[in-house]
Order: sequence, then C-alpha cells, then structure tokens
Amino acid sequence: KAGVTQTPRYLIKTRGQQVTLSCSPISGHRSVSWYQQTPGQGLQFLFEYFSETQRNKGNFPGRFSGRQFSNSRSEMNVSTLELGDSALYLCASRPQQGNGELFFGEGSRLTVL
Amino acid sequence: GENVEQHPSTLSVQEGDSAVIKCTYSDSASNYFPWYKQELGKRPQLIIDIRSNVGEKKDQRIAVTLNKTAKHFSLHITETQPEDSAVYFCAASKAGNMLTFGGGTRLMVKP
Repeated sequence: KAGVTQTPRYLIKTRGQQVTLSCSPISGHRSVSWYQQTPGQGLQFLFEYFSETQRNKGNFPGRFSGRQFSNSRSEMNVSTLELGDSALYLCASRPQQGNGELFFGEGSRLTVL
Repeated sequence: GENVEQHPSTLSVQEGDSAVIKCTYSDSASNYFPWYKQELGKRPQLIIDIRSNVGEKKDQRIAVTLNKTAKHFSLHITETQPEDSAVYFCAASKAGNMLTFGGGTRLMVKP
C-alpha cells in the first residue's frame, strides 16, 4: 500500500505570495490532518478534514486554509506569506476520525524569502 | 485546549544505557497517548501508544508508563543503540480531537 504522498517536497516563495500544498492519503484513509513543524515550535496542529468537512482546527490565522476532496485528497493554502511561515508542513492520514495512529507524509518544506 | 510539556529537550546517553523522556498533559479528559520517533530528514513514525485504561505497555526495548492522577506519562528505552538517535515526540488527545504534541526530545546515543 502506498504511503502518504505530499507535493511539492520543496518550494521557495517570497513574502506576500500564496502557496498551495497537496496531500494524497493512504488508500482507504478518510481523515487527513495537517501539521506545521518548526525548530522552535515543534509540531503544531493546523486542521483536520474528514469526509470533506473540517472537523478540527488549530490556532492559526485565517491565512491558513484547507479543503478535502471526495477522493480524500487534501490541499492546504497559505495566503499572504510571511517569513515566519517558513516550515515543514506535514500531512497525516488515518482510517477514521478519533484516536489512532497517524501516518505522516514526508512533508513539504516551504521557505519564504 | 490541551497542553503537553516534554522534558528534557535534549538527552545524550552512552550506548547500552537507558533513556527516559517525560511528558505532562493538562486535560484530564485526554485518553490516548502516543509516542512518535522522527529520524533526521524523515517523517514521524509511531513507536508505541497507550490508552488511559492501561498503566504500562512494553514492546521489546521500549515501554511507556501512564499516571492519570498526576497527568504524566513517560517513554523508557533500555539498552540504547545508535539507531535510537532521533527526535521523540509525545502527544495526547481525547476522542474526536486531534493530537497535541510535546516540544520533542533530541536523543543522542553515543557509541
């Protein structure tokens, strides 16, 4: 079974631009969540989607948004990029909502100049 | 919301020694406590988890203990090996909520 796939793996943007990151979950997994990883802040929860609906949301500004498609694939978007948005964005999937193992992708490393 | 604190932030041990990482959580309703290992440049992967109806769980050289009263849980690694070197994250959640992670512990095992 293929793992969680994230694209692109690396990208460089400038302040003020926007970015869209994509995540394909493991086949059969319906829950997709996103985390931001930075050296100083660890793993910070962004949001979780299940059945195309946002189920949980972390404490991030409205510039961070996401969506999930009917095939469970998910995208997250960051608008008006700031230098502090530079981070590794990790997507994780699991079969259902609720407690259980998260399967992480390799991440998309975003650098904002 | 839930808050998870993890200590120490870095830990250096000699190969063969034991390593202990401790976490505390704030929400008494949390009932799921996993531990993830992230090797350099790789994705986090689950190594062990425990639920609130269990006090201890072991898997070969790793074990996790949970004290619900004190709201803390710990990861124990015995007979450490160089391949145990990584960043370890604890986390906590309650049903329907997402995981809240601790800040991570960088474990270095010196040969």
